[in-house]
Amino acid sequence: EPEVTQTPSHQVTQMGQEVILRCVPISNHLYFYWYRQILGQKVEFLVSFYNNEISEKSEIFDDQFSVERPDGSNFTLKIRSTKLEDSAMYFCASSSQGASETQYFGPGTRLLVL
Amino acid sequence: KQEVTQIPAALSVPEGENLVLNCSFTDSAIYNLQWFRQDPGKGLTSLLLIQSSQREQTSGRLNASLDKSSGRSTLYIAASQPGDSATYLCAVSGNTPLVFGKGTRLSVIA
Repeated sequence: EPEVTQTPSHQVTQMGQEVILRCVPISNHLYFYWYRQILGQKVEFLVSFYNNEISEKSEIFDDQFSVERPDGSNFTLKIRSTKLEDSAMYFCASSSQGASETQYFGPGTRLLVL
Repeated sequence: KQEVTQIPAALSVPEGENLVLNCSFTDSAIYNLQWFRQDPGKGLTSLLLIQSSQREQTSGRLNASLDKSSGRSTLYIAASQPGDSATYLCAVSGNTPLVFGKGTRLSVIA
């Protein structure tokens, strides 16, 4: 069964460093998403991406965040200058038809900012 | 602003018991509602998706219902097993992307 994959599974970085989280969505899906979950809190929407551009973003997704689809398979989330409060689990998701269809989530990347 | 609430926050039941998890949402203008399972430190596994026009969906021992007008959904798990132990998340999709509840942590005791 097709699945969303994410790399790395864990990343530890120093405050102020740049990190890139990588995702490979399900191959025939057209809509891509990033969510995050701070330990003990709700899963929160960050950004959605369709047709090579951001379709929606939350208040969390400020100028330090960016997303890119550098090729036909990868979808990346870049955090330019990490802060302690960026420590969280980051989930990538994809769907075939947008908001009306099931979103399939990857296993997540656990980011720890020291 | 859409808010999703799940009760109870935690639930412990003996193996074999049938159980119900509750989810409520404040804005009834939704496209669909999705139930997920999350194992500790892991990703989210989609269990069921109910479109706003539907009343319920079934998959194996799971049955999810939706009452859009009252802003409620339930997830019914029949004949619970220790392997069902996990956190169950409810999320709604509407004018905003998926909005999640905090989840119900289920423990099924053998």
